[in-house]
Amino acid sequence: DAGVIQSPRHEVTEMGQEVTLRCKPISGHNSLFWYRQTMMRGLELLIYFNNNVPIDDSGMPEDRFSAKMPNASFSTLKIQPSEPRDSAVYFCASSDRDSTYTQYFGPGTRLTVL
Amino acid sequence: KNQVEQSPQSLIILEGKNCTLQCNYTVSPFSNLRWYKQDTGRGPVSLTIMTFSENTKSNGRYTATLDADTKQSSLHITASQLSDSASYICVVIPPYNNNDMRFGAGTRLTVKP
Repeated sequence: DAGVIQSPRHEVTEMGQEVTLRCKPISGHNSLFWYRQTMMRGLELLIYFNNNVPIDDSGMPEDRFSAKMPNASFSTLKIQPSEPRDSAVYFCASSDRDSTYTQYFGPGTRLTVL
Repeated sequence: KNQVEQSPQSLIILEGKNCTLQCNYTVSPFSNLRWYKQDTGRGPVSLTIMTFSENTKSNGRYTATLDADTKQSSLHITASQLSDSASYICVVIPPYNNNDMRFGAGTRLTVKP
């Protein structure tokens, strides 16, 4: 398996622009997570889905952030409009309901908002 | 206040030496405690998983210990290698929700030749 796939790997945009991050989870996994990582705050859970349904979005910073999972093999995280403080590395992870619930992380998308 | 505190923030050791990273947590009760390794520019990778009833878990040269009474965990790395240079993140998970991962800020380890 290729693991969790994220695109793009790097994104540089200007303040006010819309940004869409994409994730393909590991095939067969039924949970998907979006995280944000910064030097100041470390890893933060933004939202997660079980069987394509959003379960907990309490970590989403504000209404500018939205996430969708239209099917089991694809999810998007959208920021509109983007702001410089959104600059971070965004990770997608997926897990299966085995005994360990181990989450497998993608390589991340490094977002820079100028 | 962060519920998972790690120390030190950063550590530099020579290749071949051993080291120990610390994790103190206030999440109680908890279901399991995990250590992740994150290489620069990559996502975190799970190293060890311990339930609240386990005291130790090994994965090659990595050994994690857990003291549920003092709410402390440590990750011991034996005979360090250059490839061990990474951030090590302690994660504690409450019993009511296996997806509710509480992350520490991580320890940045640098192994020098």
